[in-house]
Amino acid sequence: QSALTQPRSVSGSPGQSVTISCTGTSTDIGGYDYVSWYQHHPGKAPKLMIYDVTKRPSGVPDRFSGSKSGNTASLTISGLQAEDEADYYCCSYAGSYTLDVFGTGTKVTVL
Amino acid sequence: EVQLLQSGAEVKKPGESLKISCKGSGYSFDTYWIGWVRQMPGKGLEWMGIIYPGDSDTRYSPSFQGQVTISADKSINTAYMQWSSLKAADTAIYYCARATAAGKKGVTAFDYWGQGTLVTVSS
Repeated sequence: QSALTQPRSVSGSPGQSVTISCTGTSTDIGGYDYVSWYQHHPGKAPKLMIYDVTKRPSGVPDRFSGSKSGNTASLTISGLQAEDEADYYCCSYAGSYTLDVFGTGTKVTVL
Repeated sequence: EVQLLQSGAEVKKPGESLKISCKGSGYSFDTYWIGWVRQMPGKGLEWMGIIYPGDSDTRYSPSFQGQVTISADKSINTAYMQWSSLKAADTAIYYCARATAAGKKGVTAFDYWGQGTLVTVSS
């Protein structure tokens, strides 16, 4: 099972919106509504930002939103803030044999 | 407060064995899947496998089947990852994490994470 495909990097100025794509196949993203997104600051534990495609855990700002269309999921960060600068990973369930698979990761830079 | 506390950093030689731990607190440990995630130096996150401490049901990602062993002792709220013969390629940070939802239905996301255990394998 190959990793899901994400852009290596995206950037934006404070206050702008950025969208990170996560492309898979019909056997992972396209087959299930179980996409999650994690924020990872180097040296710290990853943090769950979105699960089940669109759900936000308690405490995650509503600036973060998730969506899915076909085999591609997306994470949008609105009103970009300096503390949003981090690596972001998507993850999708891929069936009872493969279980789950992460994306390649995207570095978000706040200009 | 839910917490996952992992064991400390390890430095090992190729061929040695190792067992790292992840102790849960603040919730019913035996009713949530625990997963393990690897991050090799300069690389992304990799999903390794999961265990349900209630009955030790264990599932591995195909890439890690046969490479590591995941176990748990629900009496002390602790999950483990072990290697019988380490390789240099096992050098990485290993995270444990808790499934978002209770029960055996499956893991769709991890909501609480340990602080990570750095494993360095070098001769």
